[in-house]
Amino acid sequence: EVQLVQSGAEVKKSGESLKISCKGSGYSFTNYWIGWVRQRPGKGLEWMGIIFPGDSDTRYSPSFQGQVTISADKSITTAYLKWSSLKASDTAMYYCARHEIYYDNSGYYVPDYWGQGTLVTVSS
Amino acid sequence: QSVLTQPPSASGAPGQRVTISCSGSSSNIGSHTVIWYHQLPGTAPKLLIYTKNQRPSGVPDRFSGSQSGTSASLAISGLQSEDEADYYCAAWDDSLNGVVFGGGTKLTVL
Repeated sequence: EVQLVQSGAEVKKSGESLKISCKGSGYSFTNYWIGWVRQRPGKGLEWMGIIFPGDSDTRYSPSFQGQVTISADKSITTAYLKWSSLKASDTAMYYCARHEIYYDNSGYYVPDYWGQGTLVTVSS
Repeated sequence: QSVLTQPPSASGAPGQRVTISCSGSSSNIGSHTVIWYHQLPGTAPKLLIYTKNQRPSGVPDRFSGSQSGTSASLAISGLQSEDEADYYCAAWDDSLNGVVFGGGTKLTVL
């Protein structure tokens, strides 16, 4: 059974750093892309980026490039999302999601299995 | 503003059929299969429909997806109270090189 288990809720102050985690199990961690999706309170889903743990190839949404860092440690099948300096606007639920690749006109990625979410609250 | 456009709300009585629309552009829906998720309050999104109208194991065939040009829709037949949730469409966008989502549609079962 595919499972993605995320780290617990965090309460931080503006300017602090933070790294949250997502541990994958039940599938070959190095053969699937894994990424992060933000959901601000009462709002929709925003795709942040993905990483391929096999070779650490990483791709970011233009909206999140330079704002966060996505990484992975394949030895412990865990992906990470890191902020170096949090802002109040980073307050949100963050989901990790495994991505499957499909092909039609070209390759495209589908978030299929999701973690339970990590709530990050940043106070100013 | 979300890249894909969905109506904010939809509703139907138990047993009825309801459809939720999703509009995009040539770089996303016009080029790739639309994916659908549902999200119950306080829980993570779950995959509902993916490539070529496939449903993950456990998703009933009351749910079906279709798309034409730069638009797509999700149809739910035989509406049940447990279908009350937020529904999101998504697609890969070749211009942004990433997944784009609709703003979500809140489905109410009357």
